[in-house]
Amino acid sequence: NAGVTQTPKFQVLKTGQSMTLQCAQDMNHNSMYWYRQDPGMGLRLIYYSASEGTTDKGEVPNGYNVSRLNKREFSLRLESAAPSQTSVYFCASSSGQGTYEQYFGPGTRLTVT
Amino acid sequence: DQQVKQNSPSLSVQEGRISILNCDYTNSMFDYFLWYKKYPAEGPTFLISISSIKDKNEDGRFTVFLNKSAKHLSLHIVPSQPGDSAVYFCAARKGTYKYIFGTGTRLKVLA
Repeated sequence: NAGVTQTPKFQVLKTGQSMTLQCAQDMNHNSMYWYRQDPGMGLRLIYYSASEGTTDKGEVPNGYNVSRLNKREFSLRLESAAPSQTSVYFCASSSGQGTYEQYFGPGTRLTVT
Repeated sequence: DQQVKQNSPSLSVQEGRISILNCDYTNSMFDYFLWYKKYPAEGPTFLISISSIKDKNEDGRFTVFLNKSAKHLSLHIVPSQPGDSAVYFCAARKGTYKYIFGTGTRLKVLA
C-alpha cells in the first residue's frame, strides 16, 4: 500500500517549456487535489477533482491544467512554464468522509529558470 | 486575504513540556479544522481534526481546542518529544472540497 505517489521528485524547466506532474493513489479515494507550497505562503489549492470525471479550479489555477485520468490518477500540466511557477507541488487524496483528512504525496520540487 | 493565520513562525520547547501551537481564522463558514505535521522533503501528514460544533478533541498526546467566538484554535502536544520537531500546519475546510492552509509553525523540541 504505497498511499499517494508523485513523479518526478525534482524537475528543472526553462521558461516556456511544458511538463506534466503525475500523481496516483491506491486508497480508492474519490477526491484528489493539487497544491503548491511557496515560502511563507502555506499550501494553496490549484485544482481538485471531487470524483472521477470531474475537475474544478481552486485558489490559484492560472497557468495549469489537470486531468483525472481514472479514479487512481490525477495529473497536473504546465503548458508554458514561468519562473513564478517555481514551487513544491503536492498531490493529495481523500475519501471525503469521516475526519475529512487528506493524504499527501511526497511532493515534486520544480524550478523554472 | 489570509483567512487562516499562524502568527508564530517558530516555537522551541523543552522535551517533556507542553507545546502549544495557535491558529486564527476569519471565516465563520469553516466547518472543519485539521492539523498536519510536515517533515522536510515529505508531504504533510494528518494529525488531528475537529468539527466546528465541538470545542475539544483528543488523540493520545495531541489535543485540539476550538474557540469559535474568538475564531481561534490551538494544538497542544503533551509531553513534547524530539520526534515532534516539524512544521505544523492548521487547515480549515470551506465547502466540501476546499481547504485553506495556514503558513505553518516550525516546532523544535529540545532534548
